[in-house]
Amino acid sequence: AQKITQTQPGMFVQEKEAVTLDCTYDTSDQSYGLFWYKQPSSGEMIFLIYQGSYDEQNATEGRYSLNFQKARKSANLVISASQLGDSAMYFCAMREAEGSQGNLIFGKGTKLSVKP
Amino acid sequence: DVKVTQSSRYLVKRTGEKVFLECVQDMDHENMFWYRQDPGLGLRLIYFSYDVKMKEKGDIPEGYSVSREKKERFSLILESASTNQTSMYLCATKESSYEQYFGPGTRLTVT
Repeated sequence: AQKITQTQPGMFVQEKEAVTLDCTYDTSDQSYGLFWYKQPSSGEMIFLIYQGSYDEQNATEGRYSLNFQKARKSANLVISASQLGDSAMYFCAMREAEGSQGNLIFGKGTKLSVKP
Repeated sequence: DVKVTQSSRYLVKRTGEKVFLECVQDMDHENMFWYRQDPGLGLRLIYFSYDVKMKEKGDIPEGYSVSREKKERFSLILESASTNQTSMYLCATKESSYEQYFGPGTRLTVT
């Protein structure tokens, strides 16, 4: 079974509007971490935001926020006030258990296109 | 700032050739990772290393090997390249902080 599911292969959003990218995960661990990465057409993976399973508040980093719903096992990324430069692939990832040397399990990604 | 470099951005090799992909980091990180990325499949872990001369198989190690003789360098080796290894290869490093830092990637084409 997939551990990280991103159900939206592609998304369009109008510039300056907010957009939500979906991510659900599957784990039996109590301690885990959730990550979002951005990959522009240049190819480099850029870390955006992190949420720990014990964090009570939703993580925020500038225009990025993570809508963490633990009971639903979802970790959606919200981008506010979209910009043209936000057009990229977005990957959700999970790290299970503290002793795993930081191995990440990635979803298949969502391609976001921002329209002017 | 963490810097992770990969030896080539684009590489074209012939079937059966031995291919070396090099990754170098400048932050003294213990953990290093090799992923391949294919459309519709996301990133899949090939091998990782948590110390010099230590290596562990990831999810898809078949057809690959790795070498970590020095802390800063982690090499991915395709012993006999095949067309199904045409892909984007990404190296990453991690220390005590929780995120992984990625290199720019190498787009390998095997003909």
